[in-house]
Amino acid sequence: EDQVTQSPEALRLQEGESSSLNCSYTVSGLRGLFWYRQDPGKGPEFLFTLYSAGEEKEKERLKATLTKKESFLHITAPKPEDSATYLCAVRSNTGNQFYFGTGTSLTVIP
Amino acid sequence: DVKVTQSSRYLVKRTGEKVFLECVQDMDHENMFWYRQDPGLGLRLIYFSYDVKMKEKGDIPEGYSVSREKKERFSLILESASTNQTSMYLCASSSPGHGGGELFFGEGSRLTVL
Repeated sequence: EDQVTQSPEALRLQEGESSSLNCSYTVSGLRGLFWYRQDPGKGPEFLFTLYSAGEEKEKERLKATLTKKESFLHITAPKPEDSATYLCAVRSNTGNQFYFGTGTSLTVIP
Repeated sequence: DVKVTQSSRYLVKRTGEKVFLECVQDMDHENMFWYRQDPGLGLRLIYFSYDVKMKEKGDIPEGYSVSREKKERFSLILESASTNQTSMYLCASSSPGHGGGELFFGEGSRLTVL
């Protein structure tokens, strides 16, 4: 069964303190792994798509990496405006469905 | 930019009422989805549609129905609202020909059933 697990559930960082969020997945043939950012009371905002192990993508202070079993979202020198919930999702190559993790709630303290 | 618009941000309904949630996308995407999001449970798929008048059940379709009469519009219907349907409802669209087929979400509709 396709499954996504994110850790930790919550993370508090001081401004400038770099860290990583983890997304472990089980999927019958990976079509894509997706990272989203969600602010309170709003819909998720698309960040990255990764397709194959070894791939990396960057956007400002965020960098996403992918292995055959997990993905990491690295946050370098975070700022308070990076505070949000980060969601990971996978899509298998056998269907149209996306499978979401429950997210990591990130708080960056000034 | 892709825009997915949900008709209502906040709704309050009474038990037994019929509820319509409307979603419109402006990017000619083939696929549209309805999710509900609850604390600790993440996003759960209710229904999705890969073409006009086509629909498929997701993980939690009970108590819901959908309608897709036009490509850009996907409606979620609660025939008789119940308190356990109080939730955040998220509409999304995607296209196999757009990037990696990633989902683009609306702002969400927060439904409270009293």
